Order: sequence, then structure tokens, then C-alpha cells
Amino acid sequence: GENVGLHLPTLSVQEGDNSIINCAYSNSASDYFIWYKQESGKGPQFIIDIRSNMDKRQGQRVTVLLNKTVKHLSLQIAATQPGDSAVYFCAETLGGSARQLTFGSGTQLTVLP
Amino acid sequence: DAGVIQSPRHEVTEMGQEVTLRCKLISGHNSLFWYRQTMMRGLELLIYFNNNVPIDDSGMPEDRFSAKMPNASFSTLKIQPSEPRDSAVYFCASRLRDTGNTIYFGEGSWLTVV
Repeated sequence: GENVGLHLPTLSVQEGDNSIINCAYSNSASDYFIWYKQESGKGPQFIIDIRSNMDKRQGQRVTVLLNKTVKHLSLQIAATQPGDSAVYFCAETLGGSARQLTFGSGTQLTVLP
Repeated sequence: DAGVIQSPRHEVTEMGQEVTLRCKLISGHNSLFWYRQTMMRGLELLIYFNNNVPIDDSGMPEDRFSAKMPNASFSTLKIQPSEPRDSAVYFCASRLRDTGNTIYFGEGSWLTVV
């Protein structure tokens, strides 16, 4: 039969607007979370991380929010630019010395001129 | 600073041929990860090493896949014999284990088996 590929959630925003990318994680015991950005033809690139003892962390133009009650993570990008167009993955780990990351399926962000 | 370096960047090979993918870790890092990315399954962890020792290879699809770390800075992922369903992007990533969980990815090796 025909294989069906992953259908990534997509988000389109106008250049200059703010973007919010959401992620539901699976393991309530996870204590460390990372957002990665993957541009076409490249490897995933670290953006920002957050530990479970925090609910918000800010970087340059990016903010990550963590809601442990509902196991939800979000990435906010301020003043979105064309270079922000990419697939964004959230990843979670279990344990302070976790050995591996579990990646979400990703969200395709497209910035419209 | 040099990141994780992978080679080849692109390879097209015929079914049944041996494929060897190579990875050089970021200097000073002591954990290495091999991932595979496909449209069907997303990013999958194949195997990871700490201090040159394989820790978890449960993600390796089958015996046709093998990975080695002959030294602290270099790793190979070998597929023998290759099959069309092995076509994917293979990423190597490394981490400095004692300072956190963030891992840094290479640019990937794009493999097509025909």
C-alpha cells in the first residue's frame, strides 16, 4: 500500500508579527525541555531550553513557557523574520542526567512577507 | 568553533551495497548520538555512546546496522547490505555530558538507496 508521511502542523505568520508554537509532551516525569529549529536541508539547531523548576525562560527574541499541569510547552518568537521559517521541534528528557531526548513531530513555521 | 562534522553529505547507492557514514564530534564532547530522520517516522534515536562506550542501541533497526567509536572524537555508522527503506537523513549529534542535556547536531548525511 501507499505510505503516508508525517503531516506536520503548520503555522503561517506575517513578518513582524509574533509567533507561538505549541507542543504537548508525553511524560509527566520529564524535567528538561529543549526547542530546536531545523531549516530545510540542515540539522536541528538548539534554540532555548527550560528545566521543570521554571515556568518561563527568555532568550533573544524567544520565550519558552512550560505548563507542567497540562504537560504543555510553547515557544514564542517576537517580531518574526523570514529567517525564522523552519520546522520547530520540542524535545523532553527524563531525569537530571537523562541520556536521550524524545522529540516531538515538529511544527512548520512559514513567515509571509 | 567547529560543530559536529558529518560525511558524506549526500550519498546515492545501489541496494545491497555497504554504506559508511562518518561523524566527528565537537572537540571536548564525550557523548555521541546517531539519529535517523524520515518523513514517515520523524527523528529517531538509533544509538548513543558515552565515553566511546555504546550505552543504548535499542533504536538500531536490525543487524544490518552497526556503529562504532574507535576513538573519543570519531564515529561511524555502517549499513550492510543497504536497502531502499534505509533512505533517510542520518544525523550525528554530540554533547558534553557533564554540563547538561543539550545535544548539538551535525548537518546530516542524506542517503538514497536505489
